[in-house]
Amino acid sequence: NAGVTQTPKFQVLKTGQSMTLQCAQDMNHNSMYWYRQDPGMGLRLIYYSASEGTTDKGEVPNGYNVSRLNKREFSLRLESAAPSQTSVYFCASSNFRQGMVEAFFGQGTRLTVV
Amino acid sequence: AQSVSQHNHHVILSEAASLELGCNYSYGGTVNLFWYVQYPGQHLQLLLKYFSGDPLVKGIKGFEAEFIKSKFSFNLRKPSVQWSDTAEYFCAVTPSGGYNKLIFGAGTRLAVHP
Repeated sequence: NAGVTQTPKFQVLKTGQSMTLQCAQDMNHNSMYWYRQDPGMGLRLIYYSASEGTTDKGEVPNGYNVSRLNKREFSLRLESAAPSQTSVYFCASSNFRQGMVEAFFGQGTRLTVV
Repeated sequence: AQSVSQHNHHVILSEAASLELGCNYSYGGTVNLFWYVQYPGQHLQLLLKYFSGDPLVKGIKGFEAEFIKSKFSFNLRKPSVQWSDTAEYFCAVTPSGGYNKLIFGAGTRLAVHP
């Protein structure tokens, strides 16, 4: 049972390059999330998708776009990477209904923008 | 906007010492509360959660947390820590009636010395 799978695990980009972080879950969850984790700031929500076909901005959406490709997959795109986007990115999924279920997290993607 | 505050950013303890990590949230309505743990190099895992009922919640590995509604707090406790509890601990909240944005605190890094 894979749970939440993120690819790649590590990536180095040059400023201005673009890339897409992939996330897939096999738990039939409705909701999916992208967070970034920075030292001393915890996890901050970038975008989330309540259900297939919907996406919404979180706390720090600037510089990112997302696509909920289907129920399983939720990708995060950096169109023009900046050093401020150096971070560890986590994808999560859940079946939150009235907050009744916890979120499950992927292993993370460590992104460095130089 | 909702927010979660964790008072201690770094805590250092000796084995067998007692642990209490503070968490306060700002949200006027009914909430669901979570504590997650992140061991070095790993993804987040759920320690415990509170939805309703008994405000004293027991989680895995001997951890417990107490929800005090009047203080908007959900502090994490463990009577006797072990070296293996060295990790980063995150408090998180989501409004129970509304939708499912899970908001995290900045985290507390715990180091337990043998």
